[in-house]
Amino acid sequence: QSALTQEVSVSGTVGQKVTLSCTGNSHNIGSYAVAWYQQISHGAPKTVMFANYLPSGIPNRFSGSKSGTTASLTISGLQPEDEADYYCSTWDFSLTAQVFGGGTKLTVL
Amino acid sequence: EVQLVQSGAEVKEPGATVKISCQVSGFSFVDDYIHWLQQAPGKGLEWMGLIDPGDGETIYAEKFHDRVTITADTSTHTAYMELSSLRSEDMAVYYCAITPQSSGTYFNRYWGQGTLVTVSS
Repeated sequence: QSALTQEVSVSGTVGQKVTLSCTGNSHNIGSYAVAWYQQISHGAPKTVMFANYLPSGIPNRFSGSKSGTTASLTISGLQPEDEADYYCSTWDFSLTAQVFGGGTKLTVL
Repeated sequence: EVQLVQSGAEVKEPGATVKISCQVSGFSFVDDYIHWLQQAPGKGLEWMGLIDPGDGETIYAEKFHDRVTITADTSTHTAYMELSSLRSEDMAVYYCAITPQSSGTYFNRYWGQGTLVTVSS
């Protein structure tokens, strides 16, 4: 059972906008910024968003937001290369640990 | 360019200990946190712990705290993760990751390539 809750799977067509969500509680998302990681074909994860900040090299079709205890990653103008597993994470002060969502499998149709 | 280069795949028997290294270049090291994470086959990412190489302070996840030891050698910019009393459930890919301390502990900025640990008799 993951500390953060993500959709198991999301799909979209090329060019579409999709939003992935990540729900936690006041001990984690409610108190800390959230990061998002992209993992393609079981390769090493890549950080695509942290604290709603886009790392260099990540396309600006990726954006992040947070409201209360829910964070979101939006991909505007979905591309075939965006097909991957996406994980959200943050810190949890009651667990004194970094916590993750179970991951969302994004399929580009 | 930031690089985290991990040691190669390991095959261990149940009950054994594995030690994985992670050499960092292109980053401060002493002003960063080094995290270790586990990913079992077909499963998600699980955080194991972190180290502040500057003072050696560590934080371990409850699940691993009695079997994991994370260390760092500032002279070689290398971090190590040792996992003892290996069992079949420990068969996984292990990742190191690095983040500037100024950014906090909540995320992992750059990742290593991963090290596969197979546990088999």
